[in-house]
Amino acid sequence: QKEVEQDPGPLSVPEGAIVSLNCTYSNSAFQYFMWYRQYSRKGPELLMYTYSSGNKEDGRFTAQVDKSSKYISLFIRDSQPSDSATYLCAMGRDGANSKLTFGKGITLSVRP
Amino acid sequence: GAGVSQSPRYKVAKRGQDVALRCDPISGHVSLFWYQQALGQGPEFLTYFQNEAQLDKSGLPSDRFFAERPEGSVSTLKIQRTQQEDSAVYLCASSSLPRTGRKAFFGQGTRLTVV
Repeated sequence: QKEVEQDPGPLSVPEGAIVSLNCTYSNSAFQYFMWYRQYSRKGPELLMYTYSSGNKEDGRFTAQVDKSSKYISLFIRDSQPSDSATYLCAMGRDGANSKLTFGKGITLSVRP
Repeated sequence: GAGVSQSPRYKVAKRGQDVALRCDPISGHVSLFWYQQALGQGPEFLTYFQNEAQLDKSGLPSDRFFAERPEGSVSTLKIQRTQQEDSAVYLCASSSLPRTGRKAFFGQGTRLTVV
């Protein structure tokens, strides 16, 4: 079993829909959680960063972390065709072993 | 610079050839990471530098892979005697914070194809 599991895709929604993307993890040592967006043939772009349980909102994006359930989510409101991309969850902990552990990614397509 | 810069963007190598991939991190960033991303997968950690010190190389898949950051800024990932399974996108990321991947910013990647 991988340390980070991400819901499989692909996912296709109509423009304006609310999108929910989810990841679960097994390592309770993870201290911080991030969501990256990756367009085709581009590098991952940092979207959201959180380090505590609860919700964090930034425009149309909300990141949710539940450390007790080892579950994180990204919600996208009023989805736009420009949101079409691959979304990666990532998590890590501080120290010499400071690598990020990523989910597999889910490809989202928002239909006009 | 404004962001993490990687070169070349694309590299085709014949099996057995040596390659060198370059990463220019964001100016002043102390932490630098290399990741390997296979098609349809998330990035997998290769190695981590804090300034010029390589603190973690546990993700390097074999002794054919070597990374350096001699002056604490630019880094080079070298792959010797490339194999077909080395074909992937190699991503570099940097962070202003030490010993953490928090708020790591990625470059565009180098797409390596071994033929």
